[in-house]
Amino acid sequence: EVQLVESGGGLVQPGRSMKLSCAASGFTFSNYGMAWVRQAPTKGLEWVATISYDGSSTYYRDSVKGRFTISRDNAKSTLYLQMNSLRSEDTATYYCTRGHYFDYWGQGVMVTVSS
Amino acid sequence: DIVMTQAPLSVSVTPGESASISCRSSKSLLHSNGITYVYWYLQKPGKSPQLLIYRMSNLASGVPDRFSGSGSETDFTLKISRVEAEDVGIYYCGQLLENPPTFGSGTKLEIK
Repeated sequence: EVQLVESGGGLVQPGRSMKLSCAASGFTFSNYGMAWVRQAPTKGLEWVATISYDGSSTYYRDSVKGRFTISRDNAKSTLYLQMNSLRSEDTATYYCTRGHYFDYWGQGVMVTVSS
Repeated sequence: DIVMTQAPLSVSVTPGESASISCRSSKSLLHSNGITYVYWYLQKPGKSPQLLIYRMSNLASGVPDRFSGSGSETDFTLKISRVEAEDVGIYYCGQLLENPPTFGSGTKLEIK
């Protein structure tokens, strides 16, 4: 059974950093691209970043470029999202998703950016 | 960015009846390889989104065949036949043809 389990969320002050993790199991992690998709409270889905199966290619939405870094450790079957210079508009539930068409999703982790 | 526009905003359906949700893209989602890169997701209350339909008309694993997807290059429809109580939630269309992937604003399905 495919499982994606996010961790690392919480309350953080504007301008500070936070790192999210996503532990994957039930499939060969190193065969799949992975992505982060977020959802602000009561809002719709918003793609954040994608990484290729081997980590050689990464893609970001414009609003997070230069602030967020997606990475992966295939030996640990873990996906990461390093978030720097956080803003209030980054407040959202962050979902880890598999593949290039998001066929499996984690349970999500809440990130609240507030002073 | 490709804009995805969904309609209606919400729909109320009697159990056993059918429901249709529309989605329109601001540019063609038909790739030169013949694949149309539109996807449908359902987010049940308090849950994570789940994939229903991929590449316009393909049923994702474990999804009941009451769900079906169809469309053209820019206009797409998700049809739910014989709606059940477990189908309540917010339905999103999404395009994965090009970066950034974008989603519609969602259609809320309720049971009468």
